[in-house]
Amino acid sequence: LAKTTQPISMDSYEGQEVNITCSHNNIATNDYITWYQQFPSQGPRFIIQGYKTKVTNEVASLFIPADRKSSTLSLPRVSLSDTAVYYCLVGDPLAASKLTFGTGTRLQVTL
Amino acid sequence: DGGITQSPKYLFRKEGQNVTLSCEQNLNHDAMYWYRQDPGQGLRLIYYSQIVNDFQKGDIAEGYSVSREKKESFPLTVTSAQKNPTAFYLCASSTGQGKVWNEQYFGPGTRLTVT
Repeated sequence: LAKTTQPISMDSYEGQEVNITCSHNNIATNDYITWYQQFPSQGPRFIIQGYKTKVTNEVASLFIPADRKSSTLSLPRVSLSDTAVYYCLVGDPLAASKLTFGTGTRLQVTL
Repeated sequence: DGGITQSPKYLFRKEGQNVTLSCEQNLNHDAMYWYRQDPGQGLRLIYYSQIVNDFQKGDIAEGYSVSREKKESFPLTVTSAQKNPTAFYLCASSTGQGKVWNEQYFGPGTRLTVT
């Protein structure tokens, strides 16, 4: 599975847009990019997944440039409840059945 | 309500005792997983199972054992051979097919403390 690099932590004020970038230089052709969110003492929750260009759902947007060596999770107008750890994962869904979670990015949202 | 249940939420054991953590899902998912999370760290895969009666070791399987006799259940036993068993244990499941494989559904976790 491709190794990923994310910032350890980020701070934001409520109402701002937050962009978390993940670097995955050795991403393979068949790999998808997936983001999870985890609150303290809970299991991670799937946020969004993409392969290329842009994906948007009701929670977030995922931007993937043409070379796919990085990706950016965009959270519009964050609130205090968005304070959590965000994990970026890269893998081929047809080649393996396990995910590798790094240490993620700890997002702290304040008033 | 469909989902994954883990019990108990908190578990305390004495060193040297084996303990079994329960994980049940009613999502009709083929694949199930066990992860361990230590404070401030990411998740590390212990074991995973893609189908009934079959399972594979993850990155940190030593000191753990699992069984998959039913599609709905994937219990994890923490044996006395596990040197640092105190951790937060998370069970997950997924359809195991196509890109949806990446979408794992997690249970609420069991916090195990061994003294």
